[in-house]
Amino acid sequence: KNQVEQSPQSLIILEGKNCTLQCNYTVSPFSNLRWYKQDTGRGPVSLTIMTFSENTKSNGRYTATLDADTKQSSLHITASQLSDSASYICVVSNPGGSYIPTFGRGTSLIVHP
Amino acid sequence: EPEVTQTPSHQVTQMGQEVILRCVPISNHLYFYWYRQILGQKVEFLVSFYNNEISEKSEIFDDQFSVERPDGSNFTLKIRSTKLEDSAMYFCASSVGGIRFTYNEQFFGPGTRLTVL
Repeated sequence: KNQVEQSPQSLIILEGKNCTLQCNYTVSPFSNLRWYKQDTGRGPVSLTIMTFSENTKSNGRYTATLDADTKQSSLHITASQLSDSASYICVVSNPGGSYIPTFGRGTSLIVHP
Repeated sequence: EPEVTQTPSHQVTQMGQEVILRCVPISNHLYFYWYRQILGQKVEFLVSFYNNEISEKSEIFDDQFSVERPDGSNFTLKIRSTKLEDSAMYFCASSVGGIRFTYNEQFFGPGTRLTVL
């Protein structure tokens, strides 16, 4: 069964610090991997989209990496801000599954002043 | 900046009743989606819709669910006979390209919280 596992489940950091969130997936074959930011009570917002041939993709202070061989991705947040407090969700699409996206449970990030 | 809107923000209904959740996608988008997120759980894909037809649907999207684009702007999700386990946040999303396009970016609405009593 296609699965997307994220770690840690939750993370607390101080404002200005960096952090890295992990995503492991078993989805195969693989079409693309996305990272979303979801504020509490809101819809997800796209951060990055990567295909299997891409190793890294940046969007401002957010940098996603992908290792398609080990089926791992990470999201690195640089110089965190209070507004980064949110859930970060990894999503993988499988062309063998009609491209229906499989969502991870997300990592809840809290940035403290 | 254009955005996806959803109404109502919160819907309370009795078990067995029909509900219709409404969405206005971004105007130049062609693909529309519904997702749900049960409280504390992950987001789950329900259905995608293009050219007035369902293009993909998940196992969750059974006969009690239906979608419709009744006019040029609205996109609706109907649940015919609600169950307690239908209580969730329902998100509408839209995109220019479909989910088979690699760099297709979906824009999500703020969600409708459905509570079934």
